[in-house]
Amino acid sequence: DAGVIQSPRHEVTEMGQEVTLRCKPISGHNSLFWYRQTMMRGLELLIYFNNNVPIDDSGMPEDRFSAKMPNASFSTLKIQPSEPRDSAVYFCASSRTVLEAFFGQGTRLTVV
Amino acid sequence: GQQVMQIPQYQHVQEGEDFTTYCNSSTTLSNIQWYKQRPGGHPVFLIQLVKSGEVKKQKRLTFQFGEAKKNSSLHITATQTTDVGTYFCAANYGGSQGNLIFGKGTKLSVKP
Repeated sequence: DAGVIQSPRHEVTEMGQEVTLRCKPISGHNSLFWYRQTMMRGLELLIYFNNNVPIDDSGMPEDRFSAKMPNASFSTLKIQPSEPRDSAVYFCASSRTVLEAFFGQGTRLTVV
Repeated sequence: GQQVMQIPQYQHVQEGEDFTTYCNSSTTLSNIQWYKQRPGGHPVFLIQLVKSGEVKKQKRLTFQFGEAKKNSSLHITATQTTDVGTYFCAANYGGSQGNLIFGKGTKLSVKP
């Protein structure tokens, strides 16, 4: 298995633009997590899916952020409109529930 | 929301010295996991602790889970430059919640 695949690896966008981050979890994993990492706030859980259903989205900063998981092999995190304070590394991770999480390489987002 | 406190935030040691990082939760955990993130990389799973009072070892690394399942520690004996990185604990609170809540991490630097 290729592991968790995230795209793009880097994204630079202008303030106000829509940004879509993509994630392909490991086949057979039923849990998917989106995290945001910054120096100031560390690794924050944004949203957690189990069996494609959002279970906990309390970490989603505001209405500008949305996440979907239309099937077991794909998830997106969308920011619309983007702001400079959204600049961070966004990680997707997947696991079999309660077991170890496997992280993707991350998407480094810069909003200018 | 649920959160897990991790200390210290930073630790600078001389090569050969020991290192310990601690995690504390105000509520009982189902299990706790430990991850390591190298500079520029993504978190990588190290170990999971499930049982009260559990102690596990991986070469120079010793992981402990408290009797009350509210705290955990990672101890590295005789640090090496290859130990450099940020060490995270990740708490799982069990029940219907399979989400992983990460501590802020302890950034370890090792001076040769």
